[in-house]
Amino acid sequence: AQSVSQHNHHVILSEAASLELGCNYSYGGTVNLFWYVQYPGQHLQLLLKYFSGDPLVKGIKGFEAEFIKSKFSFNLRKPSVQWSDTAEYFCAVNPTGFQKLVFGTGTRLLVSP
Amino acid sequence: SQTIHQWPATLVQPVGSPLSLECTVEGTSNPNLYWYRQAAGRGLQLLFYSIGIDQISSEVPQNLSASRPQDRQFILSSKKLLLSDSGFYLCAWSVPSGAYTDTQYFGPGTRLTVL
Repeated sequence: AQSVSQHNHHVILSEAASLELGCNYSYGGTVNLFWYVQYPGQHLQLLLKYFSGDPLVKGIKGFEAEFIKSKFSFNLRKPSVQWSDTAEYFCAVNPTGFQKLVFGTGTRLLVSP
Repeated sequence: SQTIHQWPATLVQPVGSPLSLECTVEGTSNPNLYWYRQAAGRGLQLLFYSIGIDQISSEVPQNLSASRPQDRQFILSSKKLLLSDSGFYLCAWSVPSGAYTDTQYFGPGTRLTVL
C-alpha cells in the first residue's frame, strides 16, 4: 500500500533559521505531490504542489519543495522562517490514476520570535 | 468563489449513539468529495470519497458510512459510535481532472469526542 513518511513530528526553530521538512513516499509509479499547511485555527490549505516539469517547486510565503524521484522524496524548505510560519505541515501523495491523496502524519513547526 | 461548509464544528456524543456530520460545497458543480479523519499523531486518513451522486468508495473498514444525496452534499454517519471514532473529521472537495486528483480544498472540520 502507498504510504507517506514525515520523520520530523515536532520542529522548533528561532526566527530567521532555515527550515527543511522531510517527506518520503513509497510508490513505484508516477505521483503528484503536495504540501498542505494548517495554521492555528484555520483550514488546511495548499502550500505547493508538483505534477510535472521542474522538480523544484515554489509555493506561497517563500516555501519551496524539491522532488527527487530517485529518493522518493519531496522535502519542504524555507531559507528564513518567521513566527507566522508556526503551523502543522502535511505532505501528501496522489498516485496517478487514483482519486485520492495519501497524507503523512504531519510535522508541527513552532517558530519562536 | 467556492466555499465548503461543515457542521457541527464540535460534537460530544456518548458511546453507542448515532452520528451525522454534514458537508456542503457551494460555487462548483459535480465536485469530487472526500471525508478524512485526523487522529493525533496519525495524519489524515481518507475514509470515503465520491465522484458523483450515490458513487462512494470506502477506503477503510469501520462502523462509519457516507452518503451523497445531492451533488454538493456529503454526509458521514454512524449507527453506533465507538470510543475510537473520536477525532477531527475533515471534508474536502476537488475539481475532477481527468484520471487524477487535482488540488483538494478542505473544510473547517468537526471535532468529535465520544465518551
